[in-house]
Amino acid sequence: AQSVTQPDIHITVSEGASLELRCNYSYGATPYLFWYVQSPGQGLQLLLKYFSGDTLVQGIKGFEAEFKRSQSSFNLRKPSVHWSDAAEYFCAVGVRGAGNMLTFGGGTRLMVKP
Amino acid sequence: SQTIHQWPATLVQPVGSPLSLECTVEGTSNPNLYWYRQAAGRGLQLLFYSVGIGQISSEVPQNLSASRPQDRQFILSSKKLLLSDSGFYLCAWSVRVAGELFFGEGSRLTVL
Repeated sequence: AQSVTQPDIHITVSEGASLELRCNYSYGATPYLFWYVQSPGQGLQLLLKYFSGDTLVQGIKGFEAEFKRSQSSFNLRKPSVHWSDAAEYFCAVGVRGAGNMLTFGGGTRLMVKP
Repeated sequence: SQTIHQWPATLVQPVGSPLSLECTVEGTSNPNLYWYRQAAGRGLQLLFYSVGIGQISSEVPQNLSASRPQDRQFILSSKKLLLSDSGFYLCAWSVRVAGELFFGEGSRLTVL
């Protein structure tokens, strides 16, 4: 079965600093890959997704992620963090083929210092 | 465009009482539907999913159940709530299994 690991439970960055959230997955084939963001008390919003093609994916709110097959990673990046980016971020992996659900990582809570 | 609604947004229930959370999707046909739960400080746990009317798959055995009486309606129920049922419940839909999920705003359940 596939698994998704987000090694960092909490991350604190200063406003204006760059951000990288890590995501590693375990699966033999090329998966579908997603990043979601969740503000407190809200549902999850899709930031970006990778299905195939260009391994550098642009998303909403200035986020991007890069699929690195050799490292089984799909890290999320943002060059300059804004205070409104404080939230919880989830990486998710889907397996091509019928009958498989998305698998979510445990989440990374981002705090932004003024 | 497609939208997803779930209600109620907040619910406080005593132990042993029943539960009904509802979710509806608009603007699409034959969606895959899902119920997830987030316990405090923890990740997402898939509870149920449905690929069609009357077709429910359970991922985790517990005292909760789900039903899909109509194509775009998904209901989460319990006959007797436990303290451990407290959490944040999220409904979601997708066009295909393992594809992109679209989430509702969530329902906060507190069991006292």
